Amino acid sequence: KQEVTQIPAALSVPEGENLVLNCSFTDSAIYNLQWFRQDPGKGLTSLLLIQSSQREQTSGRLNASLDKSSGRSTLYIAASQPGDSATYLCAKRGIQGAQKLVFGQGTRLTINP
Amino acid sequence: DAGVTQSPTHLIKTRGQHVTLRCSPISGHKSVSWYQQVLGQGPQFIFQYYEKEERGRGNFPDRFSARQFPNYSSELNVNALLLGDSALYLCASSSRDRMLVQETQYFGPGTRLLVL
Repeated sequence: KQEVTQIPAALSVPEGENLVLNCSFTDSAIYNLQWFRQDPGKGLTSLLLIQSSQREQTSGRLNASLDKSSGRSTLYIAASQPGDSATYLCAKRGIQGAQKLVFGQGTRLTINP
Repeated sequence: DAGVTQSPTHLIKTRGQHVTLRCSPISGHKSVSWYQQVLGQGPQFIFQYYEKEERGRGNFPDRFSARQFPNYSSELNVNALLLGDSALYLCASSSRDRMLVQETQYFGPGTRLLVL
């Protein structure tokens, strides 16, 4: 079973909608969970980092929540814009193997004008 | 401050050849990690180095090796290239003072490697 799962793999919505991206993970013994954005063929841009003791983090139109007990995190994007189109990846840093981030496969988001 | 930089941006090699990828961390960062991202997948952890010592290794064959220099830059070496090594190789840095697991990791733009 995948350690980190992101569903759906792809999502297409019209501009202006609020949307939620999902991330689930096995083993709730984590230090933190990080959300990234990746544009085609590019590196990763860090969006939000949630420590295990936190429930949510906000940056502008983005809000990330963390529920360790259920092994879930969500990334909420308000008032989506075409420039938000990208692949969004979540990654956990487990207490076991803390040297590494374990990534999901990403959700490819398309915002239609 | 400049972000994480990587060179080269693109590389084409043939099977059996050797490749060296380079990474310069954000100024003051002492930890460098390497990840491999195959098309359509999330990045997979290869190595972490902190203060020039290997602190973690992912599930990759011995053909993969790395090192970190006194200025905290790093090299990833891959020997005997296989077609399956074609991927985007990402470098990330963090940790100004200690190897803090609570810190954000900052990624570079990656090196796109194509093995023919």
